[in-house]
Amino acid sequence: DTEVTQTPKHLVMGMTNKKSLKCEQHMGHRAMYWYKQKAKKPPELMFVYSYEKLSINESVPSRFSPECPNSSLLNLHLHALQPEDSALYLCASRNTGTGTPGELFFGEGSRLTVL
Amino acid sequence: AQTVTQSQPEMSVQEAETVTLSCTYDTSESDYYLFWYKQPPSRQMILVIRQEAYKQQNATENRFSVNFQKAAKSFSLKISDSQLGDAAMYFCAYATSGTYKYIFGTGTRLKVLA
Repeated sequence: DTEVTQTPKHLVMGMTNKKSLKCEQHMGHRAMYWYKQKAKKPPELMFVYSYEKLSINESVPSRFSPECPNSSLLNLHLHALQPEDSALYLCASRNTGTGTPGELFFGEGSRLTVL
Repeated sequence: AQTVTQSQPEMSVQEAETVTLSCTYDTSESDYYLFWYKQPPSRQMILVIRQEAYKQQNATENRFSVNFQKAAKSFSLKISDSQLGDAAMYFCAYATSGTYKYIFGTGTRLKVLA
């Protein structure tokens, strides 16, 4: 199983809503990433979890709240978002066993629209 | 800070021909890793090829090969015998063992003409 599964694929929410994005992998990877990608732009790193601990937060606004409940699951909780937060949110995982930056395995993304 | 630049927003290639996508990067690190990722329309991003900076030999994966010029901080991707399925956005990326941050370039959209 070499898949990273993201749900939902599409999400529309109002600025006062609370919603969550979910990412799951069963490859035994202990590093998981959230990226934000606007149309025709490169992915921008948001958060990195390593061994279930937050290791990198790229100064992301607090309306985005990541959570890593276990080694297979990564959530991104959304609250009070702005229309400019509309984007494709990508989850990725990495095998930490190699000791070097190896392949990032990406999910298909969750396309978020904030009204 | 490390930066990755792709100067070609869009490229076109005739089916079965060869195309080269350019990437330059800026870093003060000596140990780092470079990647090319492919993102087809509405599909997930996948790794095309990976290069360790300490290796002088250019990486190859079937029809895909790189030209890694460490002194020039250049990392180009050559696609031989282009196929319609190669049409996608291609991102160059950089990472180090220190932070394990993966930084992506601005991307090159490749069109393959039948």
